Parts: sequence; C-alpha cells; structure tokens
Amino acid sequence: GAVVSQHPSWVICKSGTSVKIECRSLDFQATTMFWYRQFPKQSLMLMATSNEGSKATYEQGVEKDKFLINHASLTLSTLTVTSAHPEDSSFYICSARERLSTDTQYFGPGTRLTVL
Amino acid sequence: GQSLEQPSEVTAVEGAIVQINCTYQTSGFYGLSWYQQHDGGAPTFLSYNALDGLEETGRFSSFLSRSDSYGYLLLQELQMKDSASYFCAVRDKNNFNKFYFGSGTKLNVKP
Repeated sequence: GAVVSQHPSWVICKSGTSVKIECRSLDFQATTMFWYRQFPKQSLMLMATSNEGSKATYEQGVEKDKFLINHASLTLSTLTVTSAHPEDSSFYICSARERLSTDTQYFGPGTRLTVL
Repeated sequence: GQSLEQPSEVTAVEGAIVQINCTYQTSGFYGLSWYQQHDGGAPTFLSYNALDGLEETGRFSSFLSRSDSYGYLLLQELQMKDSASYFCAVRDKNNFNKFYFGSGTKLNVKP
C-alpha cells in the first residue's frame, strides 16, 4: 500500500522557537495533503488542506500565520509551527490522497511536538 | 458544519462480536469511513461506505444508512490486538477534499 512518512517523529523545543515538520508520500504522488493535530485521548482535528502548488486552506480557528504550510511538490508538504508555545504541544499527523476521487487517506506516523 | 457521535468506550471479550455506532450530521454527506488507531500510532484505514448497506472485509464489516445518518463498524472474532481507538469520519460533499472525524471509541478487548 501507499506509504507516507513524517519527519521528525518527535521533537522537543523551547518556547518561542519554530519547528518544521515534513510529510512525504513515498510511492505515490499526492495531489492533496491534510494536516491534523490530536490531543491525548481526543479525535483528529483537521487543521488545513494543502494542494500542490497552491495556498493551503485553513479550517476555522486555525491561525495561518502560526501554522505555515507549504506543498511545494507532489510528494512533500511541510508544516512549520512558528514561535511555538507550550499549548502547541500535540501530536501532528499528516495524510495524503493520491487522486481526487479516492476515498482513502494514507496517514503518516505522526510527529509528537513538546514545547517547553 | 459537521458533527459525529460515537460511544467513548466499549469493552468486550476475546472471540466476541462488538458493534461501534456512529451518528452524523453534515451539510453535505458523501461517505463514511472507519479508521483504527493504536496508542501512539497513526490511524489506518478500515472501510468506506458511500451507499446504504453492509461492506464486509474479513472480520470487519461496516454498515451505512444514509436516511438515518447512521453507520456502524462490526468487529467479529475479537482478538487482543483489536484493542485500539476506532474513528468514524465523514467526507464532505460540498468540499470532498475534507474528512471530519468523530471523537473516537476506545475498544478494550479482555481475555
């Protein structure tokens, strides 16, 4: 099946720093990638949808200047958490879809962010 | 908007059958998916229903009734490894790029 990777798998940073998370589709081209965050024992909350070569579409309540998303190629999307604060600590998960008509999202393994 | 409701937790014994229900409200329904997530891991796709009825995949089956805005995931011959969280997710017809997830059901399988 299709494989999606994320890097890093975990990161600890100081408050005020920025952190970049990469999401790659390894064996398929992803026209659309999604970014989710998940707090412990809670559901996945969609943060934004990114389409290759265009600006990301953010969900209501998600600050686009805080969570910068770039989808520069069909196999790579990045999420940058700018000026991170402890409340940004969470599990960030990306997913990718190969074609608009498919109903399957392939999830990355997630990135655990801890902001001290 | 979208909202999905699932039971928060279900407990069953090995070998048993368990059903996890999902009711949804959405502005434009396109399909219902089910995902499994083990602690600390990423969600994995289990099944998808776009039409009414039952879809069977091995020990897992998923059912959808669009008129009732309701679906369920049926797990048979439960195994210890089935202990995980299970999420239903709807695909938004108005923007079928997007999937919205329910709050998840924690399944505990006991020996």
